[in-house]
Amino acid sequence: GDSVTQMEGPVTLSEEAFLTINCTYTATGYPSLFWYVQYPGEGLQLLLKATKADDKGSNKGFEATYRKETTSFHLEKGSVQVSDSAVYFCALIMWGAGSYQLTFGKGTKLSVIP
Amino acid sequence: IAGITQAPTSQILAAGRRMTLRCTQDMRHNAMYWYRQDLGLGLRLIHYSNTAGTTGKGEVPDGYSVSRANTDDFPLTLASAVPSQTSVYFCASSVTPSANTEAFFGQGTRLTVV
Repeated sequence: GDSVTQMEGPVTLSEEAFLTINCTYTATGYPSLFWYVQYPGEGLQLLLKATKADDKGSNKGFEATYRKETTSFHLEKGSVQVSDSAVYFCALIMWGAGSYQLTFGKGTKLSVIP
Repeated sequence: IAGITQAPTSQILAAGRRMTLRCTQDMRHNAMYWYRQDLGLGLRLIHYSNTAGTTGKGEVPDGYSVSRANTDDFPLTLASAVPSQTSVYFCASSVTPSANTEAFFGQGTRLTVV
């Protein structure tokens, strides 16, 4: 079935470092792809999304490009800040059991130190 | 502020007891979801509802039931709690159950079954 695999954490970076969190997917067809972020003690919120191949989603300095040829949607940011410390989830929407369902990777915890 | 409200925020529950987690949204979204979040496993879908009056099973439905009597409310019931149901539970909603719709999440309910 459809699934999402993302790099395991935790990831610890110094402030202003470059961030990459890898995400690959397995799906029949061409799903929409998402990155959600969960700040400490909060629910998830959408960070960015891409709905078709070669689309680039961007928000708050984060970017991810939908690569059909490598079935990937890697998250990048050029210069992280302490406030970016959170858990990041890659996700796709798949059709299953009679409905569209949002399927998540296991999450990658990012800690940014001053 | 519009959004999703979950209650309680946290709960310690004796095994074998019945418990209902409440979820209310004021965005008039058609679709609602319940996820559980466990360390190392990410978020897994328990049950969903595409519209008021209908519900469906997700990836891990055993031991849980839901109802959707109206658009705003989507309670999750544990009929007889077991320790393996210790988790953080998130309610979510989306405008429609479609292939590229953003999901909005509540703040979560931390449940401990002892």
